[in-house]
Amino acid sequence: AQSVTQLDSQVPVFEEAPVELRCNYSSSVSVYLFWYVQYPNQGLQLLLKYLSGSTLVKGINGFEAEFNKSQTSFHLRKPSVHISDTAEYFCAVSGGGLSSGSARQLTFGSGTQLTVLP
Amino acid sequence: EADIYQTPRYLVIGTGKKITLECSQTMGHDKMYWYQQDPGMELHLIHYSYGVNSTEKGDLSSESTVSRIRTEHFPLTLESARPSHTSQYLCASSWGGSGANVLTFGAGSRLTVL
Repeated sequence: AQSVTQLDSQVPVFEEAPVELRCNYSSSVSVYLFWYVQYPNQGLQLLLKYLSGSTLVKGINGFEAEFNKSQTSFHLRKPSVHISDTAEYFCAVSGGGLSSGSARQLTFGSGTQLTVLP
Repeated sequence: EADIYQTPRYLVIGTGKKITLECSQTMGHDKMYWYQQDPGMELHLIHYSYGVNSTEKGDLSSESTVSRIRTEHFPLTLESARPSHTSQYLCASSWGGSGANVLTFGAGSRLTVL
């Protein structure tokens, strides 16, 4: 069984400040990791994903995340946020390799609401 | 550009009514999913489909039913809506060949049952 913990349910931050949204996971197998973003009244869209290779993953809108296997973490960062980054952010994990055939195995965290203040 | 469409976006109905939430995708994805999303909670998978005429229930028990008669269409039906069904329902799809479960989501259908 796998699980995802997003440690902060709400993160307020001032515009142009850096931000880190934390995500820890537990899994007994190799994993694929994802961050999705949900803007108000919209569905989720993929920000970035880690499948293999470099542990530092760059995504859209200036976001990046680092896979840390020893700490089982996949924290999301941005060096300078904008008002338009205000949204809910979801971390997700699925089993990698042969078990990755479907999002049937995808587990989402409970989300972190990022609010960027002027 | 949204390639997966959900209608209606918002629906307010009375208890006991039958409702169908529509979901269509134009990407030719073989896999489709329905998630239930409540405020402050993780997304819960309630139905998924690997292809035409293939549907299975997800991790969260739901009184809704689904059908997959065409690749592009995956409607969700509630025969008799109750206030406990009030929630946001998200439809998603993915391509089986991607190997990495990247989902494309619709904008959601927010259902309120009075």
